[in-house]
Amino acid sequence: DAGVTQSPTHLIKTRGQQVTLRCSPKSGHDTVSWYQQALGQGPQFIFQYYEEEERQRGNFPDRFSGHQFPNYSSELNVNALLLGDSALYLCASSFGYSPLHFGNGTRLTVT
Amino acid sequence: DQQVKQNSPSLSVQEGRISILNCDYTNSMFDYFLWYKKYPAEGPTFLISISSIKDKNEDGRFTVFLNKSAKHLSLHIVPSQPGDSAVYFCAASANAGGTSYGKLTFGQGTILTVHP
Repeated sequence: DAGVTQSPTHLIKTRGQQVTLRCSPKSGHDTVSWYQQALGQGPQFIFQYYEEEERQRGNFPDRFSGHQFPNYSSELNVNALLLGDSALYLCASSFGYSPLHFGNGTRLTVT
Repeated sequence: DQQVKQNSPSLSVQEGRISILNCDYTNSMFDYFLWYKKYPAEGPTFLISISSIKDKNEDGRFTVFLNKSAKHLSLHIVPSQPGDSAVYFCAASANAGGTSYGKLTFGQGTILTVHP
């Protein structure tokens, strides 16, 4: 049973560019949440998707957007990249009140 | 505004002894608390959780204690093993409206090193 899978594992982008990160949830999970983890910090909540809609959002600008597909997979898009967007981006899936299951993340470097 | 704080960046313990990791929170709306463990190059892995209606929850070598009046929780690992060496994150959720616990607020993490 595959857990949460994220792609790509690493990515290097230039300031001002746009990036799309992808996530496939654990089998049986229908809710996907995205987190940003800066170096030396805990993960910070970006937003959560359920039934293809954004259900909750953290304190992130509109440059961060997402999408959930009918098969529950999800994408995180970041426009107009800034140097400060360099971080590990974690996707987590859940079903009902189950604890979040995290993927191994995508390491984004903005130069 | 850091609503969940882990004030000890690191902790070093001898194998077989007890490891105690601490976490403080400020938001009185938090009603569900979790501990996650993270190895390098991997995502966080769920360890144990506790609801605010309880003050203790045990799972094998792991026990979480919650002191609501002090807004403090702790994770006890007994006995500690070298394989427990990892970063431990405390997280909290306010389950407003009965939604799932997707929006977690994490602490900064504590690096636990267990020496053989």
